[in-house]
Amino acid sequence: AQTVTQSQPEMSVQEAETVTLSCTYDTSESDYYLFWYKQPPSRQMILVIRQEAYKQQNATENRFSVNFQKAAKSFSLKISDSQLGDAAMYFCAYRSGENNDMRFGAGTRLTVKP
Amino acid sequence: EAQVTQNPRYLITVTGKKLTVTCSQNMNHEYMSWYRQDPGLGLRQIYYSMNVEVTDKGDVPEGYKVSRKEKRNFPLILESPSPNQTSLYFCASSFGQGNSPLHFGNGTRLTVT
Repeated sequence: AQTVTQSQPEMSVQEAETVTLSCTYDTSESDYYLFWYKQPPSRQMILVIRQEAYKQQNATENRFSVNFQKAAKSFSLKISDSQLGDAAMYFCAYRSGENNDMRFGAGTRLTVKP
Repeated sequence: EAQVTQNPRYLITVTGKKLTVTCSQNMNHEYMSWYRQDPGLGLRQIYYSMNVEVTDKGDVPEGYKVSRKEKRNFPLILESPSPNQTSLYFCASSFGQGNSPLHFGNGTRLTVT
């Protein structure tokens, strides 16, 4: 079964600085999709960014970008120019292209210091 | 407004008393799923459904039931809740599969005493 590992339970960053959240996954599948979701204190789950495994180009969404290393099975999230509103729990997620199975990591709690 | 509506938001119940958490989406999504969120474990999939009358077990289906009689609704049923089912529950939906992002409900905080 696929597993998703987020090795950093907590991270902190100074406002306006850059931070990288780590995510690794384990799979034998070739068809899959990767996501980062953000969960602020309101507990709403919000999509941050997504990446198709067949695409070599790293996805970007404004201040958010990923470093997708397929061979290493790594999918880290970089947040540039961190803002106070970025403070949240961040979840890395894997979706199988074969059976739609969805796996989430344990999460990384990001604190942004003013 | 496109949304996933999940009710109730908070629920306190006693062991063994059957309960249902409702989930409805207005986006005509084929795919719907249920997750539980526990500290240090992230979100774990309970059940998912690819379409009407089609449901499959996720990672942690024991103690839960679901049904998908209509495309828009996907209720989660706990026939005999136990304290270890105390958790934060999320319903989610998406178009088809693949890179279609999940749209989540606002969550249900369930406490079983």
